[in-house]
Amino acid sequence: GAGVSQSPRYKVTKRGQDVALRCDPISGHVSLYWYRQALGQGPEFLTYFNYEAQQDKSGLPNDRFSAERPEGSISTLTIQRTEQRDSAMYRCASAPSGQGGETQYFGPGTRLLVL
Amino acid sequence: RKEVEQDPGPFNVPEGATVAFNCTYSNSASQSFFWYRQDCRKEPKLLMSVYSSGNEDGRFTAQLNRASQYISLLIRDSKLSDSATYLCVVYRGGFKTIFGAGTRLFVKA
Repeated sequence: GAGVSQSPRYKVTKRGQDVALRCDPISGHVSLYWYRQALGQGPEFLTYFNYEAQQDKSGLPNDRFSAERPEGSISTLTIQRTEQRDSAMYRCASAPSGQGGETQYFGPGTRLLVL
Repeated sequence: RKEVEQDPGPFNVPEGATVAFNCTYSNSASQSFFWYRQDCRKEPKLLMSVYSSGNEDGRFTAQLNRASQYISLLIRDSKLSDSATYLCVVYRGGFKTIFGAGTRLFVKA
C-alpha cells in the first residue's frame, strides 16, 4: 500500500516568508508525528497528533511553528516569518494505533532552505 | 548532556566482520527501545525493537541493559548493504520519541 507522503519535497523561500509543509500519513493510522532533522543528526521531535488532537507540542521551537490535523488525516506544519536557522529536513511519521512506543513509518521529508 | 547518546563513528569494517554499537540513555523511566536504520538521503526505517531479554533477527542482535541504561546492536557477517546510519531510539512515555544522532557504518569489500 501507499506509504507516508510529504509535499513539497523541496522548498526554497526567502527569510520572512511563511511556509506550509504537508504530510499525508498511511491511511487509517491514528498517530502522526512531526520531526526536524539537521544534517548529521537524528530526527528531533516537534509535535504529535492522535487523530485530530494535538497531544504534545513540546518540541515546537517557538510560536512561529504551528501544526494542525483538522480531519485526523492530512497534517500541515506551518512556519511563519521563516528564518535561516529554520533550514532543515522536516519529516513526518505515522503509526497505526495511537499507543506510545509503536513502530513509526516515516515519509521522505521536505527539505526547507531559507535564504 | 543529550538524553540519548551514540558514538557517531564512522565505523569502517570489511565484509564479513562483526561490529557492535552501543547507545546510552539518561532517563531511567524510558520504556521502549528501538534501532532504526537510515540510508543516505532516505527516511529512517525500523530495524528492530529491543526487548529486555535481548532479541535476534538474522544477523542482528539487540541487547538492553536497564541497570546501566544502555542498548547495543551487534551485526554479524557484515554485508556491503549494511552500510548506513544506525539510530538508537528511546520512548519514555507520553508521545515523545527521542532519537540519537546515529552511528555511521561503512562496510568495505
